[in-house]
Amino acid sequence: AQKITQTQPGMFVQEKEAVTLDCTYDTSDPSYGLFWYKQPSSGEMIFLIYQGSYDQQNATEGRYSLNFQKARKSANLVISASQLGDSAMYFCAMRVLLSNDYKLSFGAGTTVTVRA
Amino acid sequence: SQTIHQWPATLVQPVGSPLSLECTVEGTSNPNLYWYRQAAGRGLQLLFYSVGIGQISSEVPQNLSASRPQDRQFILSSKKLLLSDSGFYLCAWSPSTDTQYFGPGTRLTVL
Repeated sequence: AQKITQTQPGMFVQEKEAVTLDCTYDTSDPSYGLFWYKQPSSGEMIFLIYQGSYDQQNATEGRYSLNFQKARKSANLVISASQLGDSAMYFCAMRVLLSNDYKLSFGAGTTVTVRA
Repeated sequence: SQTIHQWPATLVQPVGSPLSLECTVEGTSNPNLYWYRQAAGRGLQLLFYSVGIGQISSEVPQNLSASRPQDRQFILSSKKLLLSDSGFYLCAWSPSTDTQYFGPGTRLTVL
């Protein structure tokens, strides 16, 4: 069965420093996708970054980068130069195929608090 | 550009009352649509998805139902709410397998 594990319930990071959020996954599908979403206190789920299992290079989007280690089945999110507005909950998710579509299977999330 | 709307934003309902949550998408046609629920401090769980008008698939058996009366409208309903239906309900749409975009959500409290 497909599963996403986020082992860090909460993290503190100093403003302007980098932070790494851990995510490991388990799947038997040869083709899959990995996602990271940000959920601020307002509740909206904001898409950050996507990595396909066959992508040769690690995905990057501005200050977000995904450290994809396929053999270790990990897809860690790195946020560089943290800002106060980065304080939020972060979810790792994996694309899981359905009979005629797909869904996102989410981890439990990691709360990030950026300190000034 | 595409936008996704949900209403109401918050809702407090008594046990046993009916429920109707609405989701609409603008700026695209024939999107795949999804209803997820998030329990407090947890990740999201898929409830229903739809690949077209009138086509509804359920992931988890429950007290809820979904309908898609129009191409860009997705409705989540219940005839009689339970305490366990409380949570944060998020609608999403998908243009491809590379992502799903979420609406602002509805926070439901059943008392």
